[in-house]
Amino acid sequence: SQELEQSPQSLIVQEGKNLTINCTSSKTLYGLYWYKQKYGEGLIFLMMLQKGGEEKSHEKITAKLDEKKQQSSLHITASQPSHAGIYLCGALLFGNEKLTFGTGTRLTIIP
Amino acid sequence: DTAVSQTPKYLVTQMGNDKSIKCEQNLGHDTMYWYKQDSKKFLKIMFSYNNKELIINETVPNRFSPKSPDKAHLNLHINSLELGDSAVYFCASSLRGAGARGYGYTFGSGTRLTVV
Repeated sequence: SQELEQSPQSLIVQEGKNLTINCTSSKTLYGLYWYKQKYGEGLIFLMMLQKGGEEKSHEKITAKLDEKKQQSSLHITASQPSHAGIYLCGALLFGNEKLTFGTGTRLTIIP
Repeated sequence: DTAVSQTPKYLVTQMGNDKSIKCEQNLGHDTMYWYKQDSKKFLKIMFSYNNKELIINETVPNRFSPKSPDKAHLNLHINSLELGDSAVYFCASSLRGAGARGYGYTFGSGTRLTVV
């Protein structure tokens, strides 16, 4: 089983609607990163969360880390075509320098 | 200025060949990584070097050999390429202990390797 699970695996949303992507770990995290990837392109850093209960926003994207630091959610408000892509959560586990990634969520926005 | 640059962007080669992918970062980071992204878009770490020293070596066939001539470069050499090696390979860099201090990891744009 994966150390980091993302849900859903794919999401099709009508333009203008809100959506949420979840990232869950069985272990306590000491850093949680959200990245976005468009087809054929690299990873674009969105946000990094460290503290339990922390919430950050950038434009219409908000990410939150729960108090126990084992789950994060990424919320997009009033989705636009530019939000389409693959969203990846990456986590640093205690005692581990490597960034472990979730399985990814493919987001499609339909007009 | 590109922070983490990988070359080539695309690589198509025949089975059995040996190929290299180069990575360079100009951020002054001391740690560099190679990740492999499979067809299902799952990203998995392969290697990590800190100041030219190997610190992470996941279960990767020994046909894959990373080389770090200095802390700004981490190249990946692959011998006897197989069909299953087809994937996108990402290079990344960070400061040592980046996560603990809230620093980010910077990724290259990826190298799409296709073995035919």
